[in-house]
Amino acid sequence: DAKTTQPTSMDCAEGRAANLPCNHSTISGNEYVYWYRQIHSQGPQYIIHGLKNNETNEMASLIITEDRKSSTLILPHATLRDTAVYYCIVRVANAGNNRKLIWGLGTSLAVNP
Amino acid sequence: NAGVTQTPKFRVLKTGQSMTLLCAQDMNHEYMYWYRQDPGMGLRLIHYSVGEGTTAKGEVPDGYNVSRLKKQNFLLGLESAAPSQTSVYFCASSYSFNEQYFGPGTRLTVT
Repeated sequence: DAKTTQPTSMDCAEGRAANLPCNHSTISGNEYVYWYRQIHSQGPQYIIHGLKNNETNEMASLIITEDRKSSTLILPHATLRDTAVYYCIVRVANAGNNRKLIWGLGTSLAVNP
Repeated sequence: NAGVTQTPKFRVLKTGQSMTLLCAQDMNHEYMYWYRQDPGMGLRLIHYSVGEGTTAKGEVPDGYNVSRLKKQNFLLGLESAAPSQTSVYFCASSYSFNEQYFGPGTRLTVT
C-alpha cells in the first residue's frame, strides 16, 4: 500500500506558483521523499527528492516539515506544460537491495491559462 | 543519448500467446526496472535488476519472467498471456536507487 496521501486534483493559474502537498505521517527516519510527474501517456519523470532538508533544483523546490510528516512540492512559475499527475513517493529501505518505490495515485495538476 | 527505449510501443495478444518486451538504455545504468500501470492504481514494480546477470522480484512478479544478459538491456517475458496482464508497461533505469529514468511505455492488450 502507498504510504503517502495527496489531493486527487488541483488547479493553478499559469505563471503562478503551484504548491502540491503530500502527507507521509508514517515515514521512518531513513526514508526519502521523492517526487515524479507523469505527463499524459508518457513515462514518469523524476523531479526532486529529499531526506529532511529543503531541496531546490532547476525544476522545483521541495519543502519538508521538521517532523518529516509532510512535504510540499513547489513549481515557482507554473506553465501549461506542467499539467501532469504528480506523485509523492517514499522510498522503502528494506534489507539488502530491495529498495522499492511505492507509487500512489498522485495529484492531477491542471495549469490554466 | 536516446535514454530509455521500449519495443514495441503497442501490442495486442490473444490469451495464451507469449511475447517479450525489450527495454534498452544507453546511460550505463546498473539498475533497471519493469513496472505496470493500470487505471485507478499506481505504478507497480514487476521485476528489477541491480546489475548484469541479476534479477529480483518486485510487488507483482507472477506471470512474468525477466532477463538481464547485457547491462544495457532488460527483457520482460509473458509466457502465457492473460487478460489480467492488459496494462501499460514502463521500463526504467537508474545509476543508483535514486533518480529513475523511464521509457515511453508499451501498451499491451490481451484479448
